[in-house]
Amino acid sequence: QKEVEQNSGPLSVPEGAIASLNCTYSDRGSQSFFWYRQYSGKSPELIMSIYSNGDKEDGRFTAQLNKASQYVSLLIRDSQPSDSATYLCAVIYPAGNMLTFGGGTRLMVKP
Amino acid sequence: DVKVTQSSRYLVKRTGEKVFLECVQDMDHENMFWYRQDPGLGLRLIYFSYDVKMKEKGDIPEGYSVSREKKERFSLILESASTNQTSMYLCASSLGGQINYGYTFGSGTRLTVV
Repeated sequence: QKEVEQNSGPLSVPEGAIASLNCTYSDRGSQSFFWYRQYSGKSPELIMSIYSNGDKEDGRFTAQLNKASQYVSLLIRDSQPSDSATYLCAVIYPAGNMLTFGGGTRLMVKP
Repeated sequence: DVKVTQSSRYLVKRTGEKVFLECVQDMDHENMFWYRQDPGLGLRLIYFSYDVKMKEKGDIPEGYSVSREKKERFSLILESASTNQTSMYLCASSLGGQINYGYTFGSGTRLTVV
């Protein structure tokens, strides 16, 4: 069973803080990892992709991948109320070329 | 930017009706997908297609069918709509090939079956 696990939250952080979102996956052979942001009532939007171990930074977002421990995380620096959304982790398993999605973590940034 | 367009944002249909949900993408993507999303159940894959006239069942295909007659268009068909098919329906597309750059989603269709 291919699994992608996320804490459903809500994760509540104050404005300006760092929000840390975590995701674990079950297949050690996975190669590609993605973070999507989904506002309430809207469709998911791709915000980060990461393919190799380490950190990848894009503006206020940093994706971190640790294949040995089978986790991927998303850090949001200087969190803003507009970052309040559900964040979906997605993983491509080696047997196919399709994304498996986690259930999402709801982030609430309080002014 | 890739654009994935779903024909309707909101739709209300009666039980037993045949319902067509249309999805069109404009960037020559090989792969197209239909998901439904329900509170607490996450994204569930209904059908997908890797090429024209090709279709594969996802995790929850019962009660649905699909059509892909042209590369850019992937239609989801509810043969006889039922109230348990009330949901948000999301279409997505992606490039084919060895490297997957992720999916691009359409804006979604919120279907209510009464």
